[in-house]
Amino acid sequence: DTGVSQDPRHKITKRGQNVTFRCDPISEHNRLYWYRQTLGQGPEFLTYFQNEAQLEKSRLLSDRFSAERPKGSFSTLEIQRTEQGDSAMYLCASGPGSNYGYTFGSGTRLTVV
Amino acid sequence: AQSVTQLDSQVPVFEEAPVELRCNYSSSVSVYLFWYVQYPNQGLQLLLKYLSGSTLVESINGFEAEFNKSQTSFHLRKPSVHISDTAEYFCAVSPLAGGSYIPTFGRGTSLIVHP
Repeated sequence: DTGVSQDPRHKITKRGQNVTFRCDPISEHNRLYWYRQTLGQGPEFLTYFQNEAQLEKSRLLSDRFSAERPKGSFSTLEIQRTEQGDSAMYLCASGPGSNYGYTFGSGTRLTVV
Repeated sequence: AQSVTQLDSQVPVFEEAPVELRCNYSSSVSVYLFWYVQYPNQGLQLLLKYLSGSTLVESINGFEAEFNKSQTSFHLRKPSVHISDTAEYFCAVSPLAGGSYIPTFGRGTSLIVHP
């Protein structure tokens, strides 16, 4: 069990560019969550997968955001046409089938310049 | 829907002093409760959780939290803090049932331990 891995750790991009982040959850966890955290705030829910199915999406997830979990293992979060307001820490978490807590990755810090 | 209120954005305290970080929640359904800790530029680490049973839960590093259903609170306490406890602390709740168990977080409390 190597924990939840996120890649890259940091990403600086120009406004208007597309970016993609990857999350590798704990292998036996079937639940996967994406959160966004801005400075001085708690994590805000973006989307949730159970296995490969995307079951819930927050209203924060505009049409520029898309997430996938193609084989129920790793997940990607893509942001198209980035805006300065997208600058944040993007956190991924995974959890087992029962509700015994979540394991978070170290996050990807996105800076849009 | 659930919401979490962390009443203090910052709590400064001297080393070896006791501390309490307050958390209140609102929910129309029964919930599980969690405290997470976040060190600079890192993800969140689970500190402790209340699922059922005894309302007092403890972590391995001396923190404890007590679930109070009537006051809808889950305050975090430590009798004697250390410099290394300086971090951001987040309270979270997730619904007991429903399958998604999506946690809702508070805005966080920054614990600053001074020597």
